[in-house]
Amino acid sequence: NAGVTQTPKFRVLKTGQSMTLLCAQDMNHEYMYWYRQDPGMGLRLIHYSVGEGTTAKGEVPDGYNVSRLKKQNFLLGLESAAPSQTSVYFCASRGQGRDIQYFGAGTRLSVL
Amino acid sequence: AQRVTQPEKLLSVFKGAPVELKCNYSYSGSPELFWYVQYSRQRLQLLLRHISRESIKGFTADLNKGETSFHLKKPFAQEEDSAMYYCALKEGGGYNKLIFGAGTRLAVHP
Repeated sequence: NAGVTQTPKFRVLKTGQSMTLLCAQDMNHEYMYWYRQDPGMGLRLIHYSVGEGTTAKGEVPDGYNVSRLKKQNFLLGLESAAPSQTSVYFCASRGQGRDIQYFGAGTRLSVL
Repeated sequence: AQRVTQPEKLLSVFKGAPVELKCNYSYSGSPELFWYVQYSRQRLQLLLRHISRESIKGFTADLNKGETSFHLKKPFAQEEDSAMYYCALKEGGGYNKLIFGAGTRLAVHP
């Protein structure tokens, strides 16, 4: 049982490049979330999804876009990466009516 | 405003000493609070939640509405408890969004 899988694990980008982070969950969860983790700031919610085909903005959505075309996948896109987006990105999922969020292993992104 | 405050960035103790990781929250309704833990090279995982009133790995946390606190405690720290600990508050609105504190790194020395 893989749970929540994030790809890639590491990536280095140059300013202005684009990339997509993939989150896949095999638990048939309705809810999925993208967070960024920065030192001294904890985890902050970027975007989330309450079901296939839906997305919504979180606390820090600027510079990111997301899509949830399939229930098991939640994609996070950076159209034009900036150094301020250097961070560790975590995806999480949660089942309907459940409290617990299950996290992926994270993607460490550096933007030079 | 809904907010979670963890005042200590680092808590350093010796093995066998008591541990208390502080968490204070700001929330107008009836709060639902969680502690998540991230061990080195592992993913973030739930440690405990206040509604279940359980003890996990010797840790307990009591919700104190008067002091708006949800401190995590363990009477005797172990080296394997060394990790990053995050307190989280469930935001109202039905989507179970979590508001995380900045985290406290617990270092338990032999």
